[in-house]
Amino acid sequence: DAKTTQPPSMDCAEGRAANLPCNHSTISGNEYVYWYRQIHSQGPQYIIHGLKNNETNEMASLIITEDRKSSTLILPHATLRDTAVYYCIVRSSPNAGGTSYGKLTFGQGTILTVHP
Amino acid sequence: DTAVSQTPKYLVTQMGNDKSIKCEQNLGHDTMYWYKQDSKKFLKIMFSYNNKELIINETVPNRFSPKSPDKAHLNLHINSLELGDSAVYFCASSQGQGGREAFFGQGTRLTVV
Repeated sequence: DAKTTQPPSMDCAEGRAANLPCNHSTISGNEYVYWYRQIHSQGPQYIIHGLKNNETNEMASLIITEDRKSSTLILPHATLRDTAVYYCIVRSSPNAGGTSYGKLTFGQGTILTVHP
Repeated sequence: DTAVSQTPKYLVTQMGNDKSIKCEQNLGHDTMYWYKQDSKKFLKIMFSYNNKELIINETVPNRFSPKSPDKAHLNLHINSLELGDSAVYFCASSQGQGGREAFFGQGTRLTVV
């Protein structure tokens, strides 16, 4: 799976949009971009994933550049409860099967702190 | 209803002991995982089981032995515990080996003294 690079930390004011960048310049054509977050002392939580089109769900939006070498996770109206470590992960197609496609390779992530 | 539940939540034990961590998921998923998060907060996969069959074994010492009695359970047994085994262990499940999203348990904080 391709490696990702994220800033170690970011701050955001409550109510504002939080934009978390991720670089994945070695991503290959069949690899998806996944985002998870880990709130202190809890297990990681799935947020969103995408291949090349922008995606939106009830939690966040995912913007992937046309060359797919980077992406941005957007939390449109950050709240204090969004303070967490956010992980950007690149992995092969969820339908690919095989012996390694199930695993998630976590990096260091971005510590997002939302302040009042 | 907790989707992925682990027991115990905390475990303190002495070096050399043998201990088990249990995991159960009620999501009907066919794939389950064990991840380890060390003191530096790195999360690494240890094992993956699909339909009770071992799929992933990531260079984990033989002292760690996962057991999957059925699709809903994946237990982790650790023999001869060492100080370096102290970590938070997370169980997770997904549907299919390449499932879109994995659901994680709340973790078991293991402290070896």
